[in-house]
Amino acid sequence: SQQGEEDPQALSIQEGENATMNCSYKTSINNLQWYRQNSGRGLVHLILIRSNEREKHSGRLRVTLDTSKKSSSLLITASRAADTASYFCATRAEQTGANNLFFGTGTRLTVIP
Amino acid sequence: KAGVTQTPRYLIKTRGQQVTLSCSPISGHRSVSWYQQTPGQGLQFLFEYFSETQRNKGNFPGRFSGRQFSNSRSEMNVSTLELGDSALYLCASSPSGRGDTQYFGPGTRLTVL
Repeated sequence: SQQGEEDPQALSIQEGENATMNCSYKTSINNLQWYRQNSGRGLVHLILIRSNEREKHSGRLRVTLDTSKKSSSLLITASRAADTASYFCATRAEQTGANNLFFGTGTRLTVIP
Repeated sequence: KAGVTQTPRYLIKTRGQQVTLSCSPISGHRSVSWYQQTPGQGLQFLFEYFSETQRNKGNFPGRFSGRQFSNSRSEMNVSTLELGDSALYLCASSPSGRGDTQYFGPGTRLTVL
């Protein structure tokens, strides 16, 4: 079963607006990663935030992590039509030797030109 | 560096058959993980290999197996295919498999008829 839940399940915005997606998870983590997936293709890594970090930026992306609430958010600023995709959060459990990722249910983002 | 490659990209099989999927990690990466993605269950971890040894395994039946070669290339095998095995199978590689970023391949789309 998946560890995380993402909210909202689907999001539709106009080009130029900001998009915010939220992710909640269940157990203690080592790190949390965000991925993008276009139409059933492979996952593209966006950003990794470690459990001792609270915020991270990469270009138009801003990720926050609140380990006390077991939640994370991904903000995409000044969205573009090319940002249309599904976005997943994935957590790596705080467990020695375990490298597998637990994925959230994903948010389907549609950016309207 | 070349990214993670997976072959074949598409595969159609019938129930009862077996299938072998191949994954070539990014050069220098020693950890290879496999994931199954279906509309109903989302992204689920199958297993991880590191230095030719299975280091971690998800909750899948024994029909799903894998191996890793000395050059870090990995294969996964599914025997006695069932309709429910239809999915996108994704392979991911990382340098050490110790909390570092996992980079995904484009996936193999398996359809079982």
